[in-house]
Order: sequence, then structure tokens, then C-alpha cells
Amino acid sequence: DVKVTQSSRYLVKRTGEKVFLECVQDMDHENMFWYRQDPGLGLRLIYFSYDVKMKEKGDIPEGYSVSREKKERFSLILESASTNQTSMYLCAGHQGNEKLFFGSGTQLSVL
Amino acid sequence: GENVEQHPSTLSVQEGDSAVIKCTYSDSASNYFPWYKQELGKGPQLIIDIRSNVGEKKDQRIAVTLNKTAKHFSLHITETQPEDSAVYFCAASPGAQKLVFGQGTRLTINP
Repeated sequence: DVKVTQSSRYLVKRTGEKVFLECVQDMDHENMFWYRQDPGLGLRLIYFSYDVKMKEKGDIPEGYSVSREKKERFSLILESASTNQTSMYLCAGHQGNEKLFFGSGTQLSVL
Repeated sequence: GENVEQHPSTLSVQEGDSAVIKCTYSDSASNYFPWYKQELGKGPQLIIDIRSNVGEKKDQRIAVTLNKTAKHFSLHITETQPEDSAVYFCAASPGAQKLVFGQGTRLTINP
């Protein structure tokens, strides 16, 4: 199975700060995804990447960007954090089909 | 795009009874339907999945059924146990190896 590791379990940031959420997978697979999880809304896709230096917008990309400099690492960037970006962020990796493996999540609070 | 609706949002059953969670999807092109279980403090984990060429799939106490004509699929858990308490998500794949998730169901098993 793909092992996906998110570097921070909890983060507290100030409005306007630039925030980096880091994700690393331990398998040599191309596909990585960032979702945010909110109560009553389920998981919504922010960005995904099929290869190094490649990125595609998901359903809710506004206010976010991503970086994929190496195959195993996929970073989510909040250019200027806002309170409505307080959420649980989940990174996921792909095992060559649709079977997603998720990290444990980063609970981000923007004050 | 694809839209997935999941019901109920919360479900409480007595230990040993059965639990059923239902999802509907909108895109007839979707052909892959996984179910994820999320325990407290963890990321979602795949528990069972079904493809559109199959009507039913079973794995011990868990089963999933798919009705392509009606565009709905369901998760069935029999002989529920306390460790089944979690949040469950359904999802549908409209292609491009992406998943669209339902809103989630919080299942509580009462002893």
C-alpha cells in the first residue's frame, strides 16, 4: 500500500500569512491529490498532480496553489491565509488506479 | 460535473443490528464507486469498492450494491460492532482517475 505522510497534524496561522502544507508519499507513483474536509460538505478536491511539475485544478482551487518539484512530494500553498480556509486538509496518493491512500490530515486554524 | 449525495448524515444503531448508507450520483459515465471509513484522528481508509460492471460485492460483514439505472449505490454493514463507529464516505469516479465524495455519514454503534 502507498504510505502518505503529512508533516503537520495541527497548524495555527494568522490571516494574511503564507502557509505551506507538506505531503510525502513513499511509492513511485505519479498521482497525488489535495482535498479539504468540512462538516456536512464531505471531501472536496483542491488540486491534483499526475507528474512532476504538473498540476491541475480541482473543484475549489481559489486561494490555493501547489508545488510538485519531486515525484514523492506534493505541497499545498495558501498564498494569503483567510479565516474561511480553516479546515482539515487531506493529502492522498494513487496506486495506479482510483484507489486513494490518504494521509492523517492537517487541521489548519486561521485566526 | 459529477455530484454525489449521501444519506443519512448521522446514523445510530444497536450493536448487532445492520446499518445501511445510501448514495446517489449524477454522471452516468462514472464507473467506479468506493467507500471510505474515517476513524477519529485518522485519514479515510478504503473499505470496499465496486465497478459499474458488477451489481453487488461482499467482504465479510460489509457489502456494496450498485443500481446503474437509478444511479445509486449503498453500503450495508451487518452484525455491527463498536469498532464500526466512524464516519463513512461514498465516492464516484467520473474519469481522469479523480473521485467526487459524498457528504459523509457519522455511524454510531450503541452497546
